[in-house]
Amino acid sequence: GESVGLHLPTLSVQEGDNSIINCAYSNSASDYFIWYKQESGKGPQFIIDIRSNMDKRQGQRVTVLLNKTVKHLSLQIAATQPGDSAVYFCAENMSGGGADGLTFGKGTHLIIQP
Amino acid sequence: DAGVTQSPTHLIKTRGQQVTLRCSPKSGHDTVSWYQQALGQGPQFIFQYYEEEERQRGNFPDRFSGHQFPNYSSELNVNALLLGDSALYLCASTWGVDYNSPLHFGNGTRLTVT
Repeated sequence: GESVGLHLPTLSVQEGDNSIINCAYSNSASDYFIWYKQESGKGPQFIIDIRSNMDKRQGQRVTVLLNKTVKHLSLQIAATQPGDSAVYFCAENMSGGGADGLTFGKGTHLIIQP
Repeated sequence: DAGVTQSPTHLIKTRGQQVTLRCSPKSGHDTVSWYQQALGQGPQFIFQYYEEEERQRGNFPDRFSGHQFPNYSSELNVNALLLGDSALYLCASTWGVDYNSPLHFGNGTRLTVT
């Protein structure tokens, strides 16, 4: 089976609210995790990554949290905007970066309500 | 700074035919990976090329082959096409194989097999 999965296939949030997208992984040997955003008709766009020696990493309006104890990863988007509507994928590998093949989950479709 | 570019954007082939997809990596990148994304699914790793050699391969049959050229561009070839090969084929690039850098994806080639 897949090593990485998503808790919810669809997440609907109000514009301006914070969004939290969750991801569970099963491979305890994974040491690199990455979030991608994919808009309709486009390829996945890099959002943020985190390595297993970290619990939290922040970017512009986004935060990734890693809980290795329960093998859980989350992406928090602050002040959600209409442009955030997309499918969000988490992915992982054991090599610490993009050099080796990533295992992707099925994705969560984030819908922004006006 | 050009990102990852792929050609063609769309392609229709008949079962049993062969197809070649092309990719130019992001400027400064030398490692190219290919992924297959079925409708409604996350991308699946096909293989990766570095220094003109296949470095790593996912769970895909030998009908899927590739090549990397001295300018780091790459081709994906699929022989004896099956209906199930219909998918979005994504190319991604990064720098090196040991450096911890994220993958950057192109917008893909949509292959339809009839």
